[in-house]
Amino acid sequence: EAGVAQSPRYKIIEKRQSVAFWCNPISGHATLYWYQQILGQGPKLLIQFQNNGVVDDSQLPKDRFSAERLKGVDSTLKIQPAKLEDSAVYLCASSIWGHEQFFGPGTRLTVL
Amino acid sequence: AQSVTQLDSQVPVFEEAPVELRCNYSSSVSVYLFWYVQYPNQGLQLLLKYLSGSTLVKGINGFEAEFNKSQTSFHLRKPSVHISDTAEYFCAVSTKTSGSRLTFGEGTQLTVNP
Repeated sequence: EAGVAQSPRYKIIEKRQSVAFWCNPISGHATLYWYQQILGQGPKLLIQFQNNGVVDDSQLPKDRFSAERLKGVDSTLKIQPAKLEDSAVYLCASSIWGHEQFFGPGTRLTVL
Repeated sequence: AQSVTQLDSQVPVFEEAPVELRCNYSSSVSVYLFWYVQYPNQGLQLLLKYLSGSTLVKGINGFEAEFNKSQTSFHLRKPSVHISDTAEYFCAVSTKTSGSRLTFGEGTQLTVNP
């Protein structure tokens, strides 16, 4: 069974630029999550989708972050414009509702 | 809302020694508890989970954890560690109403020295 795929694995941008991350969940997993993991901290949930609807985006900085999940499969997370404090690893995970989450390898973002 | 506290940010041990990584949680409702491991430049891998039933949970790679409701703890243990166990370990909690959403602790860096 293929795991959660994410791209790119690494991204370096200047502050105020835009960036987008892509996630392809495990086939059949209706629930998809985006987490932000700042160096030295645990992952923090940014947004949770159930199919293509948003379940929880209470911790998403909506002035600069956006996410979508078209057709209830792949998802993209965008930051526009990026700030220095957005430097982090962005993790995507998927699950069957109420069950174990499976994580992708993450995208490491560096904002200069 | 729930929260997780991992009491040690770093734990250095020698190879073949036992280790315990401590985790306490706070929640007003029944919880599900998890331990994840993260190797450098990789995502998180589930080590073990407590959903219900026996309070002693066995996971992969020889790890086990015990759920203690009265002390609101879920400490992770391994009787004999290997160099390859060097990694970051995260304790996490979710509840029945949170739809699998996880709240993570800050992590414990386990370093196994020869």
